[in-house]
Amino acid sequence: GESVGLHLPTLSVQEGDNSIINCAYSNSASDYFIWYKQESGKGPQFIIDIRSNMDKRQGQRVTVLLNKTVKHLSLQIAATQPGDSAVYFCAVTEGYQKVTFGTGTKLQVIP
Amino acid sequence: EAQVTQNPRYLITVTGKKLTVTCSQNMNHEYMSWYRQDPGLGLRQIYYSMNVEVTDKGDVPEGYKVSRKEKRNFPLILESPSPNQTSLYFCASSLGDRGEQYFGPGTRLTVT
Repeated sequence: GESVGLHLPTLSVQEGDNSIINCAYSNSASDYFIWYKQESGKGPQFIIDIRSNMDKRQGQRVTVLLNKTVKHLSLQIAATQPGDSAVYFCAVTEGYQKVTFGTGTKLQVIP
Repeated sequence: EAQVTQNPRYLITVTGKKLTVTCSQNMNHEYMSWYRQDPGLGLRQIYYSMNVEVTDKGDVPEGYKVSRKEKRNFPLILESPSPNQTSLYFCASSLGDRGEQYFGPGTRLTVT
């Protein structure tokens, strides 16, 4: 089955700096990738997604990059704010709705 | 308001006492899933459903049952709970098979 891993369990950044959160997956057949944000005491919340026929997608202050060659996914957050403090999960879908989540990176924003 | 609701939010029970955690969505989504979240392990999929009467196992289905008799509801059933099922459970729904999932607020279950 699919395995999904994140490179760092915790990431601390200064307010205003850019944040980069990484994720690696194992199955080259995976075709849909999503980033979620989970704040304390809440369920995960969708941030941005990307399909395997793309290598970059941008949203508001967020960018997702996909490198299928090395099976690597990253989330970039521009001008990180205190409200960005949360745990971030990447998720990989292969067929239907069978989703595999990474273990999460906790982003701490230092004021 | 578009939402996924779960009940109860907190539950403490004893080993072997059957329980059901309800999940309901008001977005007419076809796809629904159950996940458990444990420290250091992230979210793991228990079961998912592609439509009414269509369900399939996720990564950790042992000890759980589900049913999908109506489109909006997807209850999770623990016939004989054990302490290793102590966890935080999330229900989620999505419109398509590859799309944003909307998560419920979570149910924290403790089995003693």
